[in-house]
Amino acid sequence: GAVVSQHPSRVICKSGTSVKIECRSLDFQATTMFWYRQFPKKSLMLMATSNEGSKATYEQGVEKDKFLINHASLTLSTLTVTSAHPEDSSFYICSATDGTNSPLHFGNGTRLTVT
Amino acid sequence: QKEVEQNSGPLSVPEGAIASLNCTYSDRGSQSFFWYRQYSGKSPELIMFIYSNGDKEDGRFTAQLNKASQYVSLLIRDSQPSDSATYLCAVKPGGYQKVTFGTGTKLQVIP
Repeated sequence: GAVVSQHPSRVICKSGTSVKIECRSLDFQATTMFWYRQFPKKSLMLMATSNEGSKATYEQGVEKDKFLINHASLTLSTLTVTSAHPEDSSFYICSATDGTNSPLHFGNGTRLTVT
Repeated sequence: QKEVEQNSGPLSVPEGAIASLNCTYSDRGSQSFFWYRQYSGKSPELIMFIYSNGDKEDGRFTAQLNKASQYVSLLIRDSQPSDSATYLCAVKPGGYQKVTFGTGTKLQVIP
């Protein structure tokens, strides 16, 4: 149980375009989803927290107009990287939880390369 | 001050030995504690979670929690080369959803 599906797993896009990443909880209702990014050999960096039906809460230093997060249902959250630039190239990972004390379950991640 | 601290390692152990990974946290109100394993280039996967003081065992893994001393540890018995990965300690404060991760300890199991 507790499967989180993330798509796409890998995407290459040109500078200036937008990329959408989907995160779905397959067998549970995710009250909260989190988006992380991770640079090579670095630790996870929380970007934002999203609750179903409400606006995402962004961490300090994360541009909300650049990283658009939508949590439209209890099983789906999306992250859109708008006007992507090479410095946005990174590993983006979503996670979800179904309760206050429940563990986070992670998607497989999306490796974004902006050329 | 970091909220969750781990030794970055690498921690090298021979195959078959016990690997001991430690984590300390600063928030005394923390309620939930998790260990994740992350292979290079992959996303973290949950190994263990523990909520109460004491030990919790699952196969070759044992999580230990000591709230008075504010530390949580993970023991891996009969370590295998496939256990070589970075192990992330994660702590969730009571009443909040946001989980704080340590920077991880890299474990190398030498065949």
